[in-house]
Amino acid sequence: GAGVSQSPSNKVTEKGKDVELRCDPISGHTALYWYRQRLGQGLEFLIYFQGNSAPDKSGLPSDRFSAERTGESVSTLTIQRTQQEDSAVYLCASSLVSGGSPLHFGNGTRLTVT
Amino acid sequence: TQLLEQSPQFLSIQEGENLTVYCNSSSVFSSLQWYRQEPGEGPVLLVTVVTGGEVKKLKRLTFQFGDARKDSSLHITAAQPGDTGLYLCAGAGAAGNKLTFGGGTRVLVKP
Repeated sequence: GAGVSQSPSNKVTEKGKDVELRCDPISGHTALYWYRQRLGQGLEFLIYFQGNSAPDKSGLPSDRFSAERTGESVSTLTIQRTQQEDSAVYLCASSLVSGGSPLHFGNGTRLTVT
Repeated sequence: TQLLEQSPQFLSIQEGENLTVYCNSSSVFSSLQWYRQEPGEGPVLLVTVVTGGEVKKLKRLTFQFGDARKDSSLHITAAQPGDTGLYLCAGAGAAGNKLTFGGGTRVLVKP
């Protein structure tokens, strides 16, 4: 079956431009996570959606970052007025339920801000 | 906030040697997962441990969950170059809570 799909796989943008990253989770997965991973580093939590509950936005680094999820399907992560420090791989993961369910990751979007 | 600390951050060994990666916290987790990530890909689940004191073996990999469910270890016997990657532990708190990831251990196995 289809896994988690992220698009685009690579994105190069100029400093100051807005970007939108997309995540298609596995069908039926109620939990969805966004993480940021800088080169050679671990996963930095950004935001977590669980069903119809209010999202946990505690990891968003600034108000330039926002994310939405439509029901239990597609999610988009938007970065406004991009900065060079935003350059990283942005990973999306989904799981069947929250808590201890295994996460299924996409291959990420590599964002480069020039 | 539940925090997970992994050690070491980086490990370089020769093929055939053994290695152990540690994942520690002051918090209790209902379960703990280990993932491996290879370059250009997302992390992939290796194992989930749920019972204090539990030991799980996957071929040359042995995973242990501490009795108090605050820590875990991953031991690789006779490491191979294919074991090279970023190893991540992730803990789940009470039901409904998000997973918390450790900072990762980068393992390099040289032929």
